[in-house]
Amino acid sequence: GQQLNQSPQSMFIQEGEDVSMNCTSSSIFNTWLWYKQDPGEGPVLLIALYKAGELTSNGRLTAQFGITRKDSFLNISASIPSDVGIYFCAGPPPGSARQLTFGSGTQLTVLP
Amino acid sequence: GAVVSQHPSRVICKSGTSVKIECRSLDFQATTMFWYRQFPKKSLMLMATSNEGSKATYEQGVEKDKFLINHASLTLSTLTVTSAHPEDSSFYICSARTRLQEAFFGQGTRLTVV
Repeated sequence: GQQLNQSPQSMFIQEGEDVSMNCTSSSIFNTWLWYKQDPGEGPVLLIALYKAGELTSNGRLTAQFGITRKDSFLNISASIPSDVGIYFCAGPPPGSARQLTFGSGTQLTVLP
Repeated sequence: GAVVSQHPSRVICKSGTSVKIECRSLDFQATTMFWYRQFPKKSLMLMATSNEGSKATYEQGVEKDKFLINHASLTLSTLTVTSAHPEDSSFYICSARTRLQEAFFGQGTRLTVV
């Protein structure tokens, strides 16, 4: 089935550093979604992107919908300890009004 | 954003018993809800699509007689794990999508079968 390649798989950074993660797909997506999941909780929607080239911010988070519509990235600036968690990209594959396809996740650890 | 409420958040049951998990969309109507299973440090694995007023659509490899799904109203879907066994222990998460294609997730249910 459709897969999203998300990288990196894990990151260890110092508090205050910026972080970048990305997702790529072999086919075009019309929507890109970025989620954060804390341990023992459901994913929480961070940013939703609907148009190619769109750049959207949510506080210290910025995400972009790639021009080719086959990729997206998420940046976190000035990381803080509560940024720790797993970040997932996701999107509904074209032609699918049903389920989302998820990336494999990026485990972020912020060191004090 | 929209709110999806899942209950219970944790449940421990004996092997052979059944467990029901509820998923509610609190501030919007969801004709379609989704049930996922998540293993430790892994991504979400779609189990089934719950359709209001009709039968659920199960993903390949998911036993429909084991994981019963009922979507009786536009705001409620339930997942019942029947005759649970220790290998069914997992984190189960539901989600519902808005018209903008944004998916909102419940808090998840940690099921432990002993």
